[in-house]
Amino acid sequence: KAGVTQTPRYLIKTRGQQVTLSCSPISGHRSVSWYQQTPGQGLQFLFEYFSETQRNKGNFPGRFSGRQFSNSRSEMNVSTLELGDSALYLCASSTGRQGSEKLFFGSGTQLSVL
Amino acid sequence: DQQVKQNSPSLSVQEGRISILNCDYTNSMFDYFLWYKKYPAEGPTFLISISSIKDKNEDGRFTVFLNKSAKHLSLHIVPSQPGDSAVYFCAASGGSNYQLIWGAGTKLIIKP
Repeated sequence: KAGVTQTPRYLIKTRGQQVTLSCSPISGHRSVSWYQQTPGQGLQFLFEYFSETQRNKGNFPGRFSGRQFSNSRSEMNVSTLELGDSALYLCASSTGRQGSEKLFFGSGTQLSVL
Repeated sequence: DQQVKQNSPSLSVQEGRISILNCDYTNSMFDYFLWYKKYPAEGPTFLISISSIKDKNEDGRFTVFLNKSAKHLSLHIVPSQPGDSAVYFCAASGGSNYQLIWGAGTKLIIKP
């Protein structure tokens, strides 16, 4: 069974641009959660999608948005990039809601904003 | 408001000895706890979990202990191996919104 796939693996953007990150969950998993990790920081929760609906949202500005498609694949978009958005963005999937069982993480997308 | 706290940013342990990582929580509604291990530039991987109906769960070299009255859980790794060097996160959930709350992580260094 294939694991969680995130693309691209690395991304370099400049301030003001926008970016879209993609996540393909494990087959059969209906929940996709997104996290941001910056150097020296823990995992900051962005949002969770379950059956195409956003179920939970973290404390991030509206520049961060996401969506989930009917095949459970998810995308995350960041508009008007800032230097502070440079981070490792992680996607995790599970069959049920994120707090009800273990999560399976992808390898992440390393975003650098110049 | 940090509901899940890992007060030790780092921990250094001799190879072969026991590693004990600690986690405290404040929300009495939490009833499910997990530990994850993370290497640099990779996603976390699940290690072990425990529900509030138990006070101990074992999986090979890893044991998690839960003390509900103290709102404290700990992860024991015995014996510690060089490949255990990583950042360890504890996470907790409970209530109806299923949100998982994460600690800040503890960096474990296993010395040869």
